[in-house]
Amino acid sequence: AQSVTQLGSHVSVSEGALVLLRCNYSSSVPPYLFWYVQYPNQGLQLLLKYTSAATLVKGINGFEAEFKKSETSFHLTKPSAHMSDAAEYFCAVSDFTGANSKLTFGKGITLSVRP
Amino acid sequence: SQTIHQWPATLVQPVGSPLSLECTVEGTSNPNLYWYRQAAGRGLQLLFYSVGIGQISSEVPQNLSASRPQDRQFILSSKKLLLSDSGFYLCAWSVEEDNTGELFFGEGSRLTVL
Repeated sequence: AQSVTQLGSHVSVSEGALVLLRCNYSSSVPPYLFWYVQYPNQGLQLLLKYTSAATLVKGINGFEAEFKKSETSFHLTKPSAHMSDAAEYFCAVSDFTGANSKLTFGKGITLSVRP
Repeated sequence: SQTIHQWPATLVQPVGSPLSLECTVEGTSNPNLYWYRQAAGRGLQLLFYSVGIGQISSEVPQNLSASRPQDRQFILSSKKLLLSDSGFYLCAWSVEEDNTGELFFGEGSRLTVL
């Protein structure tokens, strides 16, 4: 069974600082990995996804993530935080069962950005 | 383009009352449909998913049920709500032909059971 671990529940950075949100996964098959962002009282929006092409994946809003098989990690980064980045971030792994693939989500990390 | 609608956006219900949350997808046919529940600090829990009309799979035993009366309509129901049913409910869909599992989410429905 697939699983995702997001260490910590809250990260706080200053505006303009590096954003690093960690995600480690467990999967019995080559994984598909995702990062989603959720703003208060809204649904989840896809930031980026890894589907076994390039290991460095670029997403929306200046975010990127690197797939490292040896470390079973898929950490999310952004060079310079903006106030609008304050949100909750979820890492997810797909179980890849073909047409009925399902995502397993981590518990999420809340990102705060200080002025 | 595809869109997904959920309603109501907010709901306050007494314990023991019934529940019906609706989700409709537009702009696609034969989507896979999902209901997730989000509780504070616990991430997203998959409740039900459906690969076609009348086909429902339940992931966890609970006080809720789901139905898919039409290709692009997914309904979450309960006959008698419990306090523990409070949470943020998210409907999502995926493209059957997309084997990655990528999900597209609705705006969510916040349920408070008092």
